[in-house]
Amino acid sequence: GENVEQHPSTLSVQEGDSAVIKCTYSDSASNYFPWYKQELGKGPQLIIDIRSNVGEKKDQRIAVTLNKTAKHFSLHITETQPEDSAVYFCAASGYGNNRLAFGKGNQVVVIP
Amino acid sequence: NAGVTQTPKFQVLKTGQSMTLQCAQDMNHNSMYWYRQDPGMGLRLIYYSASEGTTDKGEVPNGYNVSRLNKREFSLRLESAAPSQTSVYFCASSEQSGTGELFFGEGSRLTVL
Repeated sequence: GENVEQHPSTLSVQEGDSAVIKCTYSDSASNYFPWYKQELGKGPQLIIDIRSNVGEKKDQRIAVTLNKTAKHFSLHITETQPEDSAVYFCAASGYGNNRLAFGKGNQVVVIP
Repeated sequence: NAGVTQTPKFQVLKTGQSMTLQCAQDMNHNSMYWYRQDPGMGLRLIYYSASEGTTDKGEVPNGYNVSRLNKREFSLRLESAAPSQTSVYFCASSEQSGTGELFFGEGSRLTVL
């Protein structure tokens, strides 16, 4: 099955700086790669996703890049703000693209 | 707009007791899921239902059963709770399985003593 790994597990950044989280996946057949944000005490919420036919997607201060050859994809957050502090999960649609496999999550802390 | 609703939000059980976590969605989604979240382990899929009338095992199904009661409702049952099942449980739904946005509930925190 699909195996998704996230690095680093915890990331601290100064407010206004950029944050980058990288994920690797194992199943070359995976074709859908979403990122979820989880705030304290809440369920995860989709913030951005990318499909295998594109290499980059942007939405305001967040962007995702995909390298299918190397089997990794990254989340980029620019001009970080305190409300960006959360746990971020990447996922990949392995298992015949019938369900998602999640990484273990990254704790991002934005220091004011 | 309720989205995905889970009950109860908190529950304490003794080892060996049984309980059912309820989940309902009002978005007319075809697929529903149950995940558990443990520190350092991320989100692990317990069971899912790709469409009404079907259920399939996920990564960690042992000790659990599910019922897709109708298109809206998907319940998770612990027949004989164990301390290893102490976790936060999330129900989610999506329009179709695998490559669409998942909508999560707020979670149910279960403690087994």
